[in-house]
Amino acid sequence: SQTIHQWPATLVQPVGSPLSLECTVEGTSNPNLYWYRQAAGRGLQLLFYSVGIGQISSEVPQNLSASRPQDRQFILSSKKLLLSDSGFYLCAWSTYKKGSYEQYFGPGTRLTVT
Amino acid sequence: LAKTTQPISMDSYEGQEVNITCSHNNIATNDYITWYQQFPSQGPRFIIQGYKTKVTNEVASLFIPADRKSSTLSLPRVSLSDTAVYYCLVGDIWPGGFKTIFGAGTRLFVKA
Repeated sequence: SQTIHQWPATLVQPVGSPLSLECTVEGTSNPNLYWYRQAAGRGLQLLFYSVGIGQISSEVPQNLSASRPQDRQFILSSKKLLLSDSGFYLCAWSTYKKGSYEQYFGPGTRLTVT
Repeated sequence: LAKTTQPISMDSYEGQEVNITCSHNNIATNDYITWYQQFPSQGPRFIIQGYKTKVTNEVASLFIPADRKSSTLSLPRVSLSDTAVYYCLVGDIWPGGFKTIFGAGTRLFVKA
């Protein structure tokens, strides 16, 4: 079965510090991968998606970046965090299953920028 | 990508049927309609997906009219554990795969 891992689960970082969040998927190959951010009490905002190694599409211009160095690894980074980067970051992958396109989400990383 | 509009919140009681309607006037030919459920501090969980007419699975039904400009998620006999945020989204089937945009969602409160 497929599983998706994210770490760390929680993170507290000062303004101006760098960021690296990692996501890995097991049990599938060549998945479409996604990074979402959810601010407190808000909906999910799609940040990046990737259809393959080295292929990244950005949905929202910001001080975040994403990379996909391996087929099942997706990394979200920042060189200098802003207060507004605080939120719940979710990684997801999608597949076509039983006539439906589904996205499966990881457990998330709660980031607090102080 | 088509945008969706759904009620911000809804209240219900245990055992009742809940219908949440979503508007997506600009839905495209390739778009699927999908509903997700999210509990606090967890990632969204897939509920149901459809393209047209009616789809039913073990947890919900999805009703889509012929013009596909709206859809209704129906949850039969809700329980307290169904209190969550429900997202309606339309998915763009693009050459590389599947991409969806989440709206603000509907916060459902189920009372005893």
